[in-house]
Amino acid sequence: TQLLEQSPQFLSIQEGENLTVYCNSSSVFSSLQWYRQEPGEGPVLLVTVVTGGEVKKLKRLTFQFGDARKDSSLHITAAQPGDTGLYLCAGVLENYGQNFVFGPGTRLSVLP
Amino acid sequence: DTGVSQNPRHKITKRGQNVTFRCDPISEHNRLYWYRQTLGQGPEFLTYFQNEAQLEKSRLLSDRFSAERPKGSFSTLEIQRTEQGDSAMYLCASSLVTTGSEAFFGQGTRLTVV
Repeated sequence: TQLLEQSPQFLSIQEGENLTVYCNSSSVFSSLQWYRQEPGEGPVLLVTVVTGGEVKKLKRLTFQFGDARKDSSLHITAAQPGDTGLYLCAGVLENYGQNFVFGPGTRLSVLP
Repeated sequence: DTGVSQNPRHKITKRGQNVTFRCDPISEHNRLYWYRQTLGQGPEFLTYFQNEAQLEKSRLLSDRFSAERPKGSFSTLEIQRTEQGDSAMYLCASSLVTTGSEAFFGQGTRLTVV
């Protein structure tokens, strides 16, 4: 059983469309991160959220941390082919160690 | 300092051989993590160090795996008697204790055991 679930697993959309991917858990996290990974490369940190209800924006990307700090979402507006990649959420469990637990990822493909 | 550096980028080895990977973290970062990632999966935690102390090890880290960070700077991950199931991407990340919620990853070492 994964501590962090991500949905959808795969997403293929046309350039210009909007999309939302989700990261869910039954556990509480002291912080949650979103990473983007391209084939053969390491994950690249996009954002960290630490406060329940927090919303952060990074250009066309909007990240939200759930009020109870158990879930998060990533919304992309007007997707571009350069957004193609594997989106991973990761978190540090509250009151349990300092390692980052990862979800299985959402593989996004944006077609021109 | 341009980020976390891992060497080699790729390693092909025969089953039964030993391999060692190196990770150089961002210079002021005192935490260093090792993860393993197989195709289609998210990274799985192996172990982490704070300075030179290895503070946590996953059950995934069998007796054939050993990690060191002797001077609290670079780290090595050794796999003895490699098996085909060890084939994966091995990722290293580093962070600061004071901002522990932000970990930065290297480009990884892709291990193929034949």
